[in-house]
Amino acid sequence: GDSVTQMEGPVTLSEEAFLTINCTYTATGYPSLFWYVQYPGEGLQLLLKATKADDKGSNKGFEATYRKETTSFHLEKGSVQVSDSAVYFCALRGGYSTLTFGKGTMLLVSP
Amino acid sequence: DADVTQTPRNRITKTGKRIMLECSQTKGHDRMYWYRQDPGLGLQLIYYSFDVKDINKGEISDGYSVSRQAQAKFSLSLESAIPNQTALYFCATSETSGRANEQFFGPGTRLTVL
Repeated sequence: GDSVTQMEGPVTLSEEAFLTINCTYTATGYPSLFWYVQYPGEGLQLLLKATKADDKGSNKGFEATYRKETTSFHLEKGSVQVSDSAVYFCALRGGYSTLTFGKGTMLLVSP
Repeated sequence: DADVTQTPRNRITKTGKRIMLECSQTKGHDRMYWYRQDPGLGLQLIYYSFDVKDINKGEISDGYSVSRQAQAKFSLSLESAIPNQTALYFCATSETSGRANEQFFGPGTRLTVL
């Protein structure tokens, strides 16, 4: 079945540091890929998405590129802010139109 | 007003009690989902519904049931709650079709079973 593996956290960074959160997936066919973010006490909200190989999703300074050859969708940001502290979830949408989530990675950014 | 609402937001109950969590949406979406979130486990799909007459089990449906009362309402029931059902529960909605359709999440219900 479909699965998503993402790096365990917490990831602890200082403000303005570079961020990478790794995500790899296993799926049949050609899934769509998503990054969701969960701020403390809130539900999940879509951060960015990509629907086919080599697509790059981007939003709020975050980027991720759909790499079919490495089955990866790593999340990056060039300069993190304290307000980026949250839990980040990688997810894929497979053949049944449901989402399969990774376990989430907590990001903590200090001033 | 929020597009996806969940009630209650917090609930403490006792083992063996029946409990219902409710979800309402004003987005006009046909598809609705229930997930549970446990620390370190991500989100796991409990049930999903593609329309009022189409309800499907997710990966962890045992011990749960659902009711789709209308396009806008999707309820999750625990017939006899047990402590390992203590978790954060999320409802979500999405449009009918499209590879890139995102899911929109409610704020969550924190359930504690003593």
